Amino acid sequence: NAGVTQTPKFQVLKTGQSMTLQCAQDMNHNSMYWYRQDPGMGLRLIYYSASEGTTDKGEVPNGYNVSRLNKREFSLRLESAAPSQTSVYFCASSEQTGTGAGGYTFGSGTRLTVV
Amino acid sequence: GENVEQHPSTLSVQEGDSAVIKCTYSDSASNYFPWYKQELGKRPQLIIDIRSNVGEKKDQRIAVTLNKTAKHFSLHITETQPEDSAVYFCAVMDTGRRALTFGSGTRLQVQP
Repeated sequence: NAGVTQTPKFQVLKTGQSMTLQCAQDMNHNSMYWYRQDPGMGLRLIYYSASEGTTDKGEVPNGYNVSRLNKREFSLRLESAAPSQTSVYFCASSEQTGTGAGGYTFGSGTRLTVV
Repeated sequence: GENVEQHPSTLSVQEGDSAVIKCTYSDSASNYFPWYKQELGKRPQLIIDIRSNVGEKKDQRIAVTLNKTAKHFSLHITETQPEDSAVYFCAVMDTGRRALTFGSGTRLQVQP
């Protein structure tokens, strides 16, 4: 039982390049989330998916797109990377949306640097 | 959306002392308040949570208190140990977005 698996763990991109961050969970959770973590700013919500087939914008969605491929997988895409997207990205999942039941389980994070 | 403020941003205590971290939130309809601990280079991990139908919850050396009228909640760690050193985040369930909004974090250092 791996929990939430994120790939890659580290990535360096040049400005304008694109990439997809992958996230998969094996806990049969309905809801999945993408956050970014910057020093002194906590974790900010980029996008979330309350259930398979739905996605919604969070606090900082500009420059990102997401795909909920199936119940297990939720990917985050940067179409044209910018230095402002340098951050640590965390994927998370939870059993239910809106109730916090069971809390979030986080992946190990992706450290992304855009030069 | 929800607005969460967390204080202090850094906290240094002596081993064995107590530590208190406070958070305020804006949406009176919010009903779920977890706390996460993040060690350096690691993922955040849930340490305790509270729902709006209770005022206090304890788990060994940690406790959380909730004041819904004042819209604030606090994390209390007693008999602190060096392994408690980490960044602690409060969070609030945003009833509009149906996702957690996090505070900016408190770096706790426990001096041996």
